[in-house]
Amino acid sequence: QVQLVQSGSEVKKPGASVKVSCKASGYTFTSFGISWVRQAPGQGLEWMGWISAHNGNTKSTQDLLGRVTMTTDTSTSTAYMELRGLRSNDTAVYYCARGRIVGGSTPIFDHWGQGTLVTVTS
Amino acid sequence: DIVMTQSPDSLAVSLGERATINCKSSQSVLNSSNNKNYLAWYQQKPGQPPKLLIYWASTRESGVPDRFSGSGSGTDFTLTISSLQAEDVAVYFCQQYYTPPPTFGGGTKVEVK
Repeated sequence: QVQLVQSGSEVKKPGASVKVSCKASGYTFTSFGISWVRQAPGQGLEWMGWISAHNGNTKSTQDLLGRVTMTTDTSTSTAYMELRGLRSNDTAVYYCARGRIVGGSTPIFDHWGQGTLVTVTS
Repeated sequence: DIVMTQSPDSLAVSLGERATINCKSSQSVLNSSNNKNYLAWYQQKPGQPPKLLIYWASTRESGVPDRFSGSGSGTDFTLTISSLQAEDVAVYFCQQYYTPPPTFGGGTKVEVK
Protein backbone atom coordinates (compact mmCIF):
# COMPACT_ATOMS: atom_id res chain seq x y z
CA GLN A 1 0.00 0.00 0.00
CA VAL A 2 1.08 3.57 -0.62
CA GLN A 3 2.81 5.13 2.39
CA LEU A 4 4.49 8.46 2.96
CA VAL A 5 6.49 8.58 6.20
CA GLN A 6 7.81 11.92 7.37
CA SER A 7 10.60 12.88 9.74
CA GLY A 8 9.90 13.89 13.31
CA SER A 9 8.97 17.15 15.00
CA GLU A 10 11.41 20.05 15.04
CA VAL A 11 11.87 23.10 17.25
CA LYS A 12 13.79 25.95 15.65
CA LYS A 13 14.76 29.51 16.48
CA PRO A 14 13.73 32.42 14.29
CA GLY A 15 16.08 32.78 11.34
CA ALA A 16 17.08 29.13 11.34
CA SER A 17 16.37 26.52 8.67
CA VAL A 18 14.49 23.23 8.81
CA LYS A 19 14.59 20.25 6.47
CA VAL A 20 11.72 17.77 6.49
CA SER A 21 11.91 14.39 4.78
CA CYS A 22 9.15 12.26 3.27
CA LYS A 23 9.93 8.63 2.41
CA ALA A 24 7.59 7.02 -0.09
CA SER A 25 6.80 3.36 -0.54
CA GLY A 26 4.22 1.17 -2.24
CA TYR A 27 4.34 2.83 -5.66
CA THR A 28 6.77 3.88 -8.38
CA PHE A 29 8.22 7.04 -6.87
CA THR A 30 9.10 8.69 -10.17
CA SER A 31 5.57 8.34 -11.55
CA PHE A 32 4.05 11.00 -9.27
CA GLY A 33 4.91 14.45 -8.00
CA ILE A 34 5.12 15.35 -4.33
CA SER A 35 3.50 18.48 -2.96
CA TRP A 36 4.13 20.11 0.39
CA VAL A 37 1.14 21.50 2.27
CA ARG A 38 1.25 23.20 5.65
CA GLN A 39 -1.36 23.80 8.32
CA ALA A 40 -0.86 26.40 11.04
CA PRO A 41 -2.40 25.53 14.44
CA GLY A 42 -6.18 25.47 14.16
CA GLN A 43 -6.03 26.80 10.60
CA GLY A 44 -6.66 25.61 7.06
CA LEU A 45 -4.43 24.05 4.44
CA GLU A 46 -1.83 26.04 2.49
CA TRP A 47 -0.13 24.53 -0.56
CA MET A 48 3.54 25.41 -0.52
CA GLY A 49 4.91 23.87 -3.65
CA TRP A 50 5.46 20.80 -5.77
CA ILE A 51 8.33 18.74 -7.11
CA SER A 52 8.28 16.26 -9.97
CA ALA A 53 9.92 13.06 -8.80
CA HIS A 54 10.47 12.25 -12.48
CA ASN A 55 12.69 15.19 -13.47
CA GLY A 56 13.09 17.36 -10.37
CA ASN A 57 11.13 20.32 -11.73
CA THR A 58 9.69 22.46 -8.97
CA LYS A 59 7.06 25.12 -8.45
CA SER A 60 6.35 27.03 -5.27
CA THR A 61 4.07 29.80 -4.14
CA GLN A 62 5.16 33.38 -4.65
CA ASP A 63 5.04 33.93 -0.89
CA LEU A 64 7.76 31.35 -0.29
CA LEU A 65 9.97 32.02 -3.30
CA GLY A 66 13.58 32.21 -2.19
CA ARG A 67 12.92 30.57 1.19
CA VAL A 68 11.87 27.06 0.20
CA THR A 69 13.81 24.34 -1.60
CA MET A 70 12.28 21.02 -2.58
CA THR A 71 14.42 18.08 -3.67
CA THR A 72 14.12 14.34 -4.16
CA ASP A 73 16.45 11.36 -3.86
CA THR A 74 15.13 8.76 -6.27
CA SER A 75 17.58 6.14 -4.95
CA THR A 76 15.73 6.15 -1.62
CA SER A 77 12.30 7.36 -2.85
CA THR A 78 12.53 10.30 -0.48
CA ALA A 79 11.42 13.89 -0.94
CA TYR A 80 12.79 16.78 1.08
CA MET A 81 11.54 20.27 1.86
CA GLU A 82 13.89 22.87 3.32
CA LEU A 83 12.52 26.17 4.63
CA ARG A 84 14.99 28.94 5.49
CA GLY A 85 14.71 32.16 7.43
CA LEU A 86 12.09 30.72 9.77
CA ARG A 87 9.61 33.08 11.37
CA SER A 88 7.12 32.52 14.17
CA ASN A 89 4.28 32.33 11.65
CA ASP A 90 5.99 29.38 9.97
CA THR A 91 4.95 27.32 12.99
CA ALA A 92 2.75 24.63 11.46
CA VAL A 93 2.31 20.99 10.66
CA TYR A 94 4.01 20.30 7.34
CA TYR A 95 2.60 17.53 5.17
CA CYS A 96 3.93 15.87 2.07
CA ALA A 97 1.26 14.59 -0.28
CA ARG A 98 1.34 12.54 -3.44
CA GLY A 99 -0.09 14.50 -6.32
CA ARG A 100 -2.34 12.73 -8.80
CA ILE A 101 -2.96 14.50 -12.07
CA VAL A 102 -6.49 13.69 -13.20
CA GLY A 103 -6.86 16.60 -15.61
CA GLY A 104 -4.83 19.65 -16.53
CA SER A 105 -1.62 20.24 -14.59
CA THR A 106 -2.80 20.85 -11.04
CA PRO A 107 -2.99 17.78 -8.82
CA ILE A 108 -5.33 16.34 -6.30
CA PHE A 109 -3.69 14.78 -3.26
CA ASP A 110 -4.50 11.10 -2.85
CA HIS A 111 -1.99 10.06 -0.16
CA TRP A 112 -0.55 12.13 2.66
CA GLY A 113 2.30 11.81 5.11
CA GLN A 114 1.51 11.83 8.82
CA GLY A 115 2.71 15.41 9.18
CA THR A 116 5.74 17.03 10.82
CA LEU A 117 5.23 19.72 13.45
CA VAL A 118 7.72 22.55 13.08
CA THR A 119 7.71 25.01 15.97
CA VAL A 120 9.54 28.30 15.60
CA THR A 121 10.22 29.92 18.93
CA SER A 122 12.93 32.01 20.54
CA ASP B 1 -5.26 32.73 -7.17
CA ILE B 2 -8.75 31.21 -6.95
CA VAL B 3 -10.24 31.82 -3.50
CA MET B 4 -12.33 29.03 -2.03
CA THR B 5 -14.92 29.96 0.59
CA GLN B 6 -16.71 27.37 2.69
CA SER B 7 -19.85 27.65 4.77
CA PRO B 8 -20.75 27.16 7.49
CA ASP B 9 -17.58 27.23 9.59
CA SER B 10 -19.08 24.49 11.74
CA LEU B 11 -22.27 22.50 12.08
CA ALA B 12 -23.71 20.03 14.55
CA VAL B 13 -25.88 17.24 13.21
CA SER B 14 -27.64 14.37 14.99
CA LEU B 15 -26.46 10.87 14.23
CA GLY B 16 -28.31 9.50 11.21
CA GLU B 17 -29.23 12.96 9.96
CA ARG B 18 -28.00 14.78 6.87
CA ALA B 19 -25.02 17.15 6.89
CA THR B 20 -24.53 19.67 4.10
CA ILE B 21 -21.36 21.67 3.49
CA ASN B 22 -21.01 24.42 0.92
CA CYS B 23 -18.00 25.58 -1.07
CA LYS B 24 -17.83 28.58 -3.38
CA SER B 25 -14.99 29.46 -5.74
CA SER B 26 -14.07 33.01 -6.74
CA GLN B 27 -14.13 31.96 -10.39
CA SER B 28 -15.59 29.04 -12.25
CA VAL B 29 -13.71 25.74 -12.02
CA LEU B 30 -15.75 24.20 -14.82
CA ASN B 31 -13.72 23.30 -17.90
CA SER B 32 -16.10 23.76 -20.82
CA SER B 33 -13.98 21.57 -23.11
CA ASN B 34 -14.63 18.41 -21.05
CA ASN B 35 -17.58 19.60 -18.93
CA LYS B 36 -15.74 18.67 -15.73
CA ASN B 37 -15.56 20.62 -12.49
CA TYR B 38 -12.04 20.64 -11.04
CA LEU B 39 -13.16 20.42 -7.41
CA ALA B 40 -12.12 17.93 -4.71
CA TRP B 41 -13.23 17.30 -1.12
CA TYR B 42 -11.10 16.08 1.79
CA GLN B 43 -11.87 14.85 5.31
CA GLN B 44 -9.48 15.54 8.17
CA LYS B 45 -10.07 13.78 11.47
CA PRO B 46 -8.41 15.15 14.63
CA GLY B 47 -4.68 14.50 14.69
CA GLN B 48 -4.68 12.96 11.21
CA PRO B 49 -3.72 14.15 7.73
CA PRO B 50 -6.45 14.96 5.22
CA LYS B 51 -8.02 12.12 3.27
CA LEU B 52 -9.27 12.47 -0.30
CA LEU B 53 -13.02 11.82 -0.51
CA ILE B 54 -14.25 13.16 -3.83
CA TYR B 55 -12.85 14.64 -7.02
CA TRP B 56 -14.42 15.93 -10.24
CA ALA B 57 -16.93 17.44 -7.78
CA SER B 58 -18.87 14.17 -7.53
CA THR B 59 -16.59 11.15 -8.10
CA ARG B 60 -15.94 9.22 -4.91
CA GLU B 61 -12.41 8.02 -4.29
CA SER B 62 -12.08 4.25 -4.01
CA GLY B 63 -13.23 2.98 -0.62
CA VAL B 64 -15.22 6.09 0.35
CA PRO B 65 -18.68 5.18 1.70
CA ASP B 66 -21.60 6.10 -0.52
CA ARG B 67 -23.17 8.24 2.21
CA PHE B 68 -20.71 10.90 1.00
CA SER B 69 -21.77 12.67 -2.17
CA GLY B 70 -20.71 15.79 -4.01
CA SER B 71 -22.67 18.05 -6.30
CA GLY B 72 -22.58 21.44 -7.94
CA SER B 73 -21.03 23.14 -10.94
CA GLY B 74 -19.22 26.29 -11.92
CA THR B 75 -18.64 28.18 -8.69
CA ASP B 76 -21.01 26.54 -6.18
CA PHE B 77 -20.52 23.08 -4.73
CA THR B 78 -21.93 20.93 -1.94
CA LEU B 79 -20.68 17.97 0.04
CA THR B 80 -23.50 15.95 1.59
CA ILE B 81 -23.24 13.26 4.24
CA SER B 82 -26.60 11.53 3.91
CA SER B 83 -26.67 9.85 7.32
CA LEU B 84 -24.06 11.10 9.76
CA GLN B 85 -22.06 8.44 11.57
CA ALA B 86 -19.91 9.00 14.65
CA GLU B 87 -16.76 8.36 12.61
CA ASP B 88 -17.63 11.24 10.28
CA VAL B 89 -16.76 13.83 12.92
CA ALA B 90 -14.02 15.79 11.17
CA VAL B 91 -13.13 18.96 9.34
CA TYR B 92 -13.95 18.95 5.65
CA PHE B 93 -12.05 20.97 3.04
CA CYS B 94 -12.74 21.70 -0.61
CA GLN B 95 -9.88 22.23 -3.08
CA GLN B 96 -9.81 23.51 -6.64
CA TYR B 97 -7.40 22.04 -9.15
CA TYR B 98 -8.60 24.05 -12.14
CA THR B 99 -5.58 26.32 -12.20
CA PRO B 100 -2.34 26.55 -10.24
CA PRO B 101 -1.77 27.03 -7.41
CA PRO B 102 -4.17 24.53 -5.89
CA THR B 103 -6.18 26.31 -3.21
CA PHE B 104 -8.29 25.06 -0.33
CA GLY B 105 -11.34 26.30 1.45
CA GLY B 106 -11.05 27.27 5.10
CA GLY B 107 -12.73 24.11 6.31
CA THR B 108 -16.05 23.13 7.90
CA LYS B 109 -16.08 21.33 11.23
CA VAL B 110 -18.78 18.67 11.56
CA GLU B 111 -19.78 17.59 15.05
CA VAL B 112 -22.49 15.40 16.55
CA LYS B 113 -25.43 17.23 18.09
